[in-house]
Amino acid sequence: NAGVTQTPKFQVLKTGQSMTLQCAQDMNHEYMSWYRQDPGMGLRLIHYSVGAGITDQGEVPNGYNVSRSTTEDFPLRLLSAAPSQTSVYFCASSATGFSYNSPLHFGNGTRLTVT
Amino acid sequence: AQKITQTQPGMFVQEKEAVTLDCTYDTSDQSYGLFWYKQPSSGEMIFLIYQGSYDEQNATEGRYSLNFQKARKSANLVISASQLGDSAMYFCAMRSIQGAQKLVFGQGTRLTINP
Repeated sequence: NAGVTQTPKFQVLKTGQSMTLQCAQDMNHEYMSWYRQDPGMGLRLIHYSVGAGITDQGEVPNGYNVSRSTTEDFPLRLLSAAPSQTSVYFCASSATGFSYNSPLHFGNGTRLTVT
Repeated sequence: AQKITQTQPGMFVQEKEAVTLDCTYDTSDQSYGLFWYKQPSSGEMIFLIYQGSYDEQNATEGRYSLNFQKARKSANLVISASQLGDSAMYFCAMRSIQGAQKLVFGQGTRLTINP
């Protein structure tokens, strides 16, 4: 089992460029989410999905777009990169988005730098 | 709204000693789950232990235990017989029944184990 797979591991963008961070899971999890981690701020939720075709905003959604066409994949799109989006991005999944006792399983992260 | 507070930015402990990492939480929900994650210097997020709000006994997983004091709204992580490999960032997180789509994180505690 690969679990949650994120690509790429590292990325450097110039201000204004767009890109897509890929996330795939092979655990048949209904729930998938994207977090960003910044120093001193813990992890903050960007967007999440409770199933194919269903997405919603988290705490810091501005500048990001998501879609969920399959159970396995949940890509995160940066529409026009800004230096404030320099961060480490984590994709995470759990069996369900409606149970408080289900732990999240994380990918290994993508370190993004916007110059 | 849910909130997690970790008041120890850094902890330094001698190898083989026990260590307690503090976590307090705030929620108006009666049904919720508390999680601890470990983030080593390599960057991945590793799920350690879970405690449910209705669990009467403290959770244990190997050398990890969770000291759950519901009235005080605290969920401290205890690591017994610490090892050099325990040096990492540790995050406390919560998921509640009203907001199960969102895992809320504290700011983390950096634990350093000295030989």
